[in-house]
This record gives sequence, C-alpha cells and structure tokens, in this order.
Amino acid sequence: AQTVTQSQPEMSVQEAETVTLSCTYDTSESNYYLFWYKQPPSRQMILVIRQEAYKQQNATENRFSVNFQKAAKSFSLKISDSQLGDTAMYFCAFFAMEYGNKLVFGAGTILRVKS
Amino acid sequence: EAEVAQSPRYKITEKSQAVAFWCDPISGHATLYWYRQILGQGPELLVQFQDESVVDDSQLPKDRFSAERLKGVDSTLKIQPAELGDSAMYLCASRRTEVYGYTFGSGTRLTVV
Repeated sequence: AQTVTQSQPEMSVQEAETVTLSCTYDTSESNYYLFWYKQPPSRQMILVIRQEAYKQQNATENRFSVNFQKAAKSFSLKISDSQLGDTAMYFCAFFAMEYGNKLVFGAGTILRVKS
Repeated sequence: EAEVAQSPRYKITEKSQAVAFWCDPISGHATLYWYRQILGQGPELLVQFQDESVVDDSQLPKDRFSAERLKGVDSTLKIQPAELGDSAMYLCASRRTEVYGYTFGSGTRLTVV
C-alpha cells in the first residue's frame, strides 16, 4: 500500500518569512506523481504544486517550490515570502496510475502565518 | 471557471437517520471520487466511479453507505443509518484524463447528533 506521512501537525511562520513543510511517502511504484494541496478554513481544496517522479528538476510555482528527493522518498514544500492568505491546512498527496488512479493524502499540516 | 457542485453545504442529522449528499462534477469528467475527511485528518477515499461504474469501493462501509452515479454524470452518497462517527466533511472530486486534472467541490460537512 502507498502511504504518505506528514510529521508536522502544525507550523507557524511570520509574514514575509520562509517556511518548509515536510512529507515522506512509501511506494514500490516507479511512475508516480506528488502533489501539495491547500485547504483554507471552510474552503475547497486547491492544487498548489505538482511533481512528476520521472522529472529530476524540482517544481516551482511563484512563491512555492518543492525539494523532491526520490531516493529518500521525500517531498517537502517551501513557501517563500509567506503571506497571511497562505494560512491553511496543507496536504501532501500521492498518485500512481498503477495504484488505482486515486489520490492518497497525508494527515496534513496546519500552517499559520502571523503578522 | 467550471466547478464541482456539492449540496448541501452543511447537514445536521440525528443518529440512526438517513442522510444523502449530492455531487455534480465538471462536465466531461468521467472519473468521480467521494472522500471522507475527519476533522484534523487527510481525506480518505470512499468510492471511485469511472462513468457509471464503481472502480473502487474497498473503503466504503457497505452496511450503511451506498453510492450511485446512474447516468455517469452526477452522484449521490447515502448513509443509513447515520452514526456519531460519521461526522466529517464529505468531499467530491472529479477528474478528466490528466493526472493533475482533479477538481474538488466545497464539501458537505455532516454533523451527527
């Protein structure tokens, strides 16, 4: 079975600073995708960033970037220049076509950005 | 921008009563998922449809939960009878063919009292 582990239940960061959220996963698949989703309070889940396992280059989307370490099965999210609107629950998720075409989520990390 | 519609947004029901949730995916999205998200935890898949067929319902408590997608478009998830432990957010998502083409609805927050 594929598992996704987020070991930080809660994190806080000062506005304009940088924060890194951790995620590790376990799989025997060679072709898979990893995602970070953001779920603001009482709002819907939205995609922040994605990484294809076959790509060595780390994905970047504006202030969001990942550190993908395939051998270590690690997939961390770095948020630069944190903004108050980044306050949300962040979920790491795994997807493999050979594993049923479904997202498997971690338990989530609550991120609070303080002014 | 196209959205996944879910209703109701909130539902309070008494233990042992029946409750139903509705989801209308984005037009053309053949794959539809129902996830359950207990407060403070990550979503867990309950059932996955490909068009009108169930692809995966291995985690669906079939003694009390049922799901259907009769015409391969909208879907209904039912719980009968509801138990206190069913209190959670029920998320619907749909996907086109692309791996990253998931879109989530706003969810139905169920409270069983």
